Amino acid sequence: GAGVSQSPRYKVAKRGQDVALRCDPISGHVSLFWYQQALGQGPEFLTYFQNEAQLDKSGLPSDRFFAERPEGSVSTLKIQRTQQEDSAVYLCASSLVTSGGYEQYFGPGTRLTVT
Amino acid sequence: AQSVTQLDSQVPVFEEAPVELRCNYSSSVSVYLFWYVQYPNQGLQLLLKYLSGSTLVESINGFEAEFNKSQTSFHLRKPSVHISDTAEYFCAVTGANDYKLSFGAGTTVTVRA
Repeated sequence: GAGVSQSPRYKVAKRGQDVALRCDPISGHVSLFWYQQALGQGPEFLTYFQNEAQLDKSGLPSDRFFAERPEGSVSTLKIQRTQQEDSAVYLCASSLVTSGGYEQYFGPGTRLTVT
Repeated sequence: AQSVTQLDSQVPVFEEAPVELRCNYSSSVSVYLFWYVQYPNQGLQLLLKYLSGSTLVESINGFEAEFNKSQTSFHLRKPSVHISDTAEYFCAVTGANDYKLSFGAGTTVTVRA
């Protein structure tokens, strides 16, 4: 069956440009998560959606980061005025329900390089 | 809040030798613990998890991990590795009533013939 997909897989942006990263979760999954993985580090939580509601955005590093999931399915992570420190792999994960014990299924990630 | 420390960043190992990847966590509440594996150019895949019950959990491909509450550890072991086990391994924790995963920095396992 189809897993979590993300596009683009690679993105190079010049400093100051805006970027949009897309996530297609597994069909029927209620919960959707975004994580940021810097080089040589483990993923770090950015934000969480339950259906279309963004219930937690405590991990977003600045107000340049914005995420949405308007119809409770596809999600977009937008970064405005990109900076070099935004270079990282952005991972999307989805889960059937919201509970710590349920598996989060991860997409392959989008590698963002800001030059 | 929870946090995870993976004590080894790189573990080289010969094929058919045993391997142990160390993971320690800190938390003030009950936790769920996970090991994820990331093969080159692929997404994170769940290897095994501890939710409750038996402290020894196993995966389908021969890995096992033991939850040790007193030592706040969840070390991953495999008695005999294959070349195909070459990957990066991440330990992760979440509170029992939480949803966000906190990951360690990862351990790169390189299996050599």
